[in-house]
Amino acid sequence: DAKTTQPPSMDCAEGRAANLPCNHSTISGNEYVYWYRQIHSQGPQYIIHGLKNNETNEMASLIITEDRKSSTLILPHATLRDTAVYYCIVRVEGYGNKLVFGAGTILRVKS
Amino acid sequence: ETGVTQSPTHLIKTRGQQVTLRCSSQSGHNTVSWYQQALGQGPQFIFQYYREEENGRGNFPPRFSGLQFPNYSSELNVNALELDDSALYLCASSLRGGRETQYFGPGTRLLVL
Repeated sequence: DAKTTQPPSMDCAEGRAANLPCNHSTISGNEYVYWYRQIHSQGPQYIIHGLKNNETNEMASLIITEDRKSSTLILPHATLRDTAVYYCIVRVEGYGNKLVFGAGTILRVKS
Repeated sequence: ETGVTQSPTHLIKTRGQQVTLRCSSQSGHNTVSWYQQALGQGPQFIFQYYREEENGRGNFPPRFSGLQFPNYSSELNVNALELDDSALYLCASSLRGGRETQYFGPGTRLLVL
């Protein structure tokens, strides 16, 4: 079973920031938080991951709370092409560990 | 740097038949994981291959099997196809010993009639 909880859906206006929350209250000390997204019928796309520090790359920012029990993925300026299912996954890095996907959050970006 | 590729893109089979799906890893990667995604659900882990051996398996029956080749490409074989095997099959490659982030291919859509 997935170890994360996400809202089933969210809407965001085009050009605004999209903030996607994720709860992972049972996360272990060596588990990373990963975010992937899946645009309709395509393979999941890696977005970002982190352990405890906030992370930023060209796609998004990841904010992890100090107690690591929740995180937020931020898409700073959402576009229509960001409409997708977003998956938050916790995983131990290394040892070839699998990804356990939950239901994710459907983000709809509207013009 | 080439990404993960999969073939074929779409496939139609009938119940009881066998199917082979193929995956080429991203260059520099040595590990391949396979996932099954039924309509409306998140991907489910089938198994992983590293150094040409199965290295971890999800809750799938033995009729799901795989291979990894010396060039790190991989095959997923499914025997005695059932209607419920209709799904999107995803391959992801990663580098064992590195950051191990998994990168996915576009998937193969299998329809079993």
